[in-house]
Amino acid sequence: SQTIHQWPATLVQPVGSPLSLECTVEGTSNPNLYWYRQAAGRGLQLLFYSVGIGQISSEVPQNLSASRPQDRQFILSSKKLLLSDSGFYLCAWSVVGQRAPNYGYTFGSGTRLTVV
Amino acid sequence: RKEVEQDPGPFNVPEGATVAFNCTYSNSASQSFFWYRQDCRKEPKLLMSVYSSGNEDGRFTAQLNRASQYISLLIRDSKLSDSATYLCVVLKVDSSYKLIFGSGTRLLVRP
Repeated sequence: SQTIHQWPATLVQPVGSPLSLECTVEGTSNPNLYWYRQAAGRGLQLLFYSVGIGQISSEVPQNLSASRPQDRQFILSSKKLLLSDSGFYLCAWSVVGQRAPNYGYTFGSGTRLTVV
Repeated sequence: RKEVEQDPGPFNVPEGATVAFNCTYSNSASQSFFWYRQDCRKEPKLLMSVYSSGNEDGRFTAQLNRASQYISLLIRDSKLSDSATYLCVVLKVDSSYKLIFGSGTRLLVRP
């Protein structure tokens, strides 16, 4: 069965420090991968998505970057965190070629980041 | 204008009540629609897909009105365990498949 792992679960980082969040998927090959952020009391905002190794698309300009060094690994990074980077970061995967209406994501359990 | 709009609530209802949530979307080319459930401080999980003809899963009924670009979720016989935030979600297809999430409607079911 397919599983998705995200870590760490919680993180407190000072302003200006670097960030690296990792997400890995098991039990599937060549998944679509996504990073979302949810600010407190807000909806999910798509940050990045990837359809393959080394292929990253950014949805919104921001202080963050993403990389996909391996097929089932997706990394979210920042060189210098801002206070506004605080939020709940969620990684998700979906099956390539899956068609509506059954298309859907499976989310990781998320990382709650607080920048202080 | 947001691509997916929902009433944030909260909807505060007694156990056993019937409650309905509505959602509107702006992109008429949207192909697929879903309801996700998110518990406090947890990741969202797929509740049900929304089919053009409407569909039911136990106490949950989803409806789609493409002409009005409107989606609904009806919960009958509410349980305490139904307390959560319900996210309306639309599939956007351009260079890839992407799910666009509404901000959610919060439901509180009281004893």
